[in-house]
Amino acid sequence: EIVLTQSPATLSLSPGERATLSCRASQSVSNYLAWYQQKPGQTPRLLIYDASNRATGIPARFSGSGSGTDFTLTISSLEPEDFAVYYCQQRSNWRLTFGGGTKVEIK
Amino acid sequence: QVQLVQSGAEVKKPGASVKVSCKASGYTFTGYYMHWVRQAPGQGLEWMGWINPDSGGTKYAEKFQDRVTMTRDTSISTAYMELSRLRSDDTAVYYCARGRWKAADIDHWGQGALVIVSS
Repeated sequence: EIVLTQSPATLSLSPGERATLSCRASQSVSNYLAWYQQKPGQTPRLLIYDASNRATGIPARFSGSGSGTDFTLTISSLEPEDFAVYYCQQRSNWRLTFGGGTKVEIK
Repeated sequence: QVQLVQSGAEVKKPGASVKVSCKASGYTFTGYYMHWVRQAPGQGLEWMGWINPDSGGTKYAEKFQDRVTMTRDTSISTAYMELSRLRSDDTAVYYCARGRWKAADIDHWGQGALVIVSS
């Protein structure tokens, strides 16, 4: 099973700052990497698929990059509604796994 | 609009089984894979498996291989997930979730069904 390790576990930032979240895979997943946002009491929302493609309706301040084993989700300038937990997910051999999540909290 | 409506909360005893349903509407049910993902209280997301509603084909996470069964009834656009031999650490919210493209990733989620396992 491919393990995804997200870092940091918690990111404390202020609105307007840039957020950089990391996801590392235990083996190559090519570009088969997605990112989700989850707010308390809500279901996850797909942000990025295939490493760098924004899902429908996702603002341009969200961007994804990487391939192989190292991936990054960048939020260029944090809005108040962006404080949430973010998960990465891979789909190698059509079996999915999720990372443990990064919480982006208000500093 | 795409809607996935799940069955309600359940309380089960250890060793029992639970079957969660997920009724889809707003799209062609057989055109998209359906995933099942669970989330224990205060924890992260855990993928359990998927079903191809068109063929009935399934793929399960190794962890659940011997305890989970995913089925569907295309006549009523409903997917099901049954988990057997329940343990206390199976207490979680269980989500059905539609695959964006085949089983690649997930673009729509059900509201979740809380399953509590307690003696």
